[in-house]
Amino acid sequence: EDKVVQSPLSLVVHEGDTVTLNCSYEVTNFRSLLWYKQEKKAPTFLFMLTSSGIEKKSGRLSSILDKKELFSILNITATQTGDSAIYLCAVEYTGGGSNYKLTFGKGTLLTVNP
Amino acid sequence: NAGVTQTPKFRILKIGQSMTLQCTQDMNHNYMYWYRQDPGMGLKLIYYSVGAGITDKGEVPNGYNVSRSTTEDFPLRLELAAPSQTSVYFCASSYDRNEKLFFGSGTQLSVL
Repeated sequence: EDKVVQSPLSLVVHEGDTVTLNCSYEVTNFRSLLWYKQEKKAPTFLFMLTSSGIEKKSGRLSSILDKKELFSILNITATQTGDSAIYLCAVEYTGGGSNYKLTFGKGTLLTVNP
Repeated sequence: NAGVTQTPKFRILKIGQSMTLQCTQDMNHNYMYWYRQDPGMGLKLIYYSVGAGITDKGEVPNGYNVSRSTTEDFPLRLELAAPSQTSVYFCASSYDRNEKLFFGSGTQLSVL
């Protein structure tokens, strides 16, 4: 069963639109949630969230975590064609043991058309 | 700034062949990881290492082996390649645990 679920799996928008990407999780002993952007090849880090309700912001991108409802959203305002990418959500947790685990969702493929 | 360097970028193997994917990082990170990414499936952890001489299995370790003789290098060995190992492989490193992974550019491997 998937512990980290992203939605939608794919999304097509026009330049200038605002998009919201979702990541829900179900893990034991949550530690952090991370967002990555993957363009041609290697994922690059966007945000790490550990506390509920505190928005992280970088330019047109922002993200927030809700630890009570077990989800995070990634918002992108005034989208540009350069925002086209796969957006990956990952959750770090320890489960029932002491070893950490990091599980990635399947990603959301965002396509921004001119 | 080299960061995490993976070689090769592309490789085609025949069933039953073996090969080593190389990974090196110059950031003095203790933590290193190998992931595989299949289309529409996200990233799956194969093996990870918390420091030189220490390695551990991830979610999908079968068919792979690793070693970590130095802080910088973390090679991934495929023995007896199978079509199920066709994937894109990413090496990554981090300063601490899973925080802010730095990824290499990936290796596209096809087993035919």
